[in-house]
Amino acid sequence: LAKTTQPISMDSYEGQEVNITCSHNNIATNDYITWYQQFPSQGPRFIIQGYKTKVTNEVASLFIPADRKSSTLSLPRVSLSDTAVYYCLVGDIGYSTLTFGKGTMLLVSP
Amino acid sequence: EAGVVQSPRYKIIEKKQPVAFWCNPISGHNTLYWYRQNLGQGPELLIRYENEEAVDDSQLPKDRFSAERLKGVDSTLKIQPAELGDSAVYLCASSLDGTGNTEAFFGQGTRLTVV
Repeated sequence: LAKTTQPISMDSYEGQEVNITCSHNNIATNDYITWYQQFPSQGPRFIIQGYKTKVTNEVASLFIPADRKSSTLSLPRVSLSDTAVYYCLVGDIGYSTLTFGKGTMLLVSP
Repeated sequence: EAGVVQSPRYKIIEKKQPVAFWCNPISGHNTLYWYRQNLGQGPELLIRYENEEAVDDSQLPKDRFSAERLKGVDSTLKIQPAELGDSAVYLCASSLDGTGNTEAFFGQGTRLTVV
């Protein structure tokens, strides 16, 4: 299983763009990159997933360079409600145990 | 459509007592996961089911933990006897299948406190 490394915490202000980078140096050819968000007292929630280049949905963008050894979750114009823990996961397309690390605690201030 | 439903939401028990958690996954989801999450940590997989078969239970402490998924739908996770260190949030999740590009949906979890 590819190991992931993320910053423990990040701070931002409302309206700013936030970029959270995850390192996964030993990612395998069949691995997908997935990000989950978790609010206090709730289970994690899927945000976005990608394999290479860029993926965008209504919530976030995911940037994956050509070597796929890292990925960046981009949250545009964050609000207070984006305060949460963000997890980067790497999983084989054919099999995945959804292995979570410690995640990145994002604190958005007014 | 209802999401993953877990019960109870909270449970307080004395050490050495048994406890059980119940999970109803999203209809049609073949893969079911049980996770344990300690305060300040990410969820840790306990067991993963594909239909009624446990395909990954390597992290399940089998001396005191057991799980079942009868008929490949609902699942229960049991601890007997509970220890102080079992205090945590127990999360259930389900997905259509267990492939790496399939979204998993989580329940709200059961917060267990062992006193």
